[in-house]
Amino acid sequence: KAGVTQTPRYLIKTRGQQVTLSCSPISGHRSVSWYQQTPGQGLQFLFEYFSETQRNKGNFPGRFSGRQFSNSRSEMNVSTLELGDSALYLCASTFLGQGSGNTIYFGEGSWLTVV
Amino acid sequence: TQLLEQSPQFLSIQEGENLTVYCNSSSVFSSLQWYRQEPGEGPVLLVTVVTGGEVKKLKRLTFQFGDARKDSSLHITAAQPGDTGLYLCAGSYNQGGKLIFGQGTELSVKP
Repeated sequence: KAGVTQTPRYLIKTRGQQVTLSCSPISGHRSVSWYQQTPGQGLQFLFEYFSETQRNKGNFPGRFSGRQFSNSRSEMNVSTLELGDSALYLCASTFLGQGSGNTIYFGEGSWLTVV
Repeated sequence: TQLLEQSPQFLSIQEGENLTVYCNSSSVFSSLQWYRQEPGEGPVLLVTVVTGGEVKKLKRLTFQFGDARKDSSLHITAAQPGDTGLYLCAGSYNQGGKLIFGQGTELSVKP
């Protein structure tokens, strides 16, 4: 079974631009979450989507947004990029069903550098 | 506000030594997960614990969930250089993908 797949793996953007990152969850997983990882703040929760609806939201500005498609694939978008948005963006998926426990699997991440 | 305190943040030991990493919170979690992360890669799940007092073993790694489901520990016996990496604990309040992460423990095992 394929794991969580994120694209692109690396990208460089200029301040003020926007970026879209993509995530394909493990087959059968309907919940997709996004995290930002930086050396100073560690891993912080951005948002979670389930059945194309945002289920949970972290404490990030409105420049950070996401969506989920009917096939459970998800995208996140960051508009008006700032230098501080440089980070490893991680996608995670979980089954989210009765008796499934709460096992969450991460992708390899997308490295974003803002210059 | 850091809801999950992980200690120590850095640990450098010699091959063959034992170590314990702690994860503490004032909150009750429905489950807690431990991950290991290599530089530039995503976290890889090691274990999920859900029952207070639960102990799980994965070869030389032993994971324990506190009786009150507020704390957890990871014990590694006879550490090896291949154990080097960032160890992360993460708690969940309910079903779903929202995890609260500790700061992580950077482990370095020297041959």
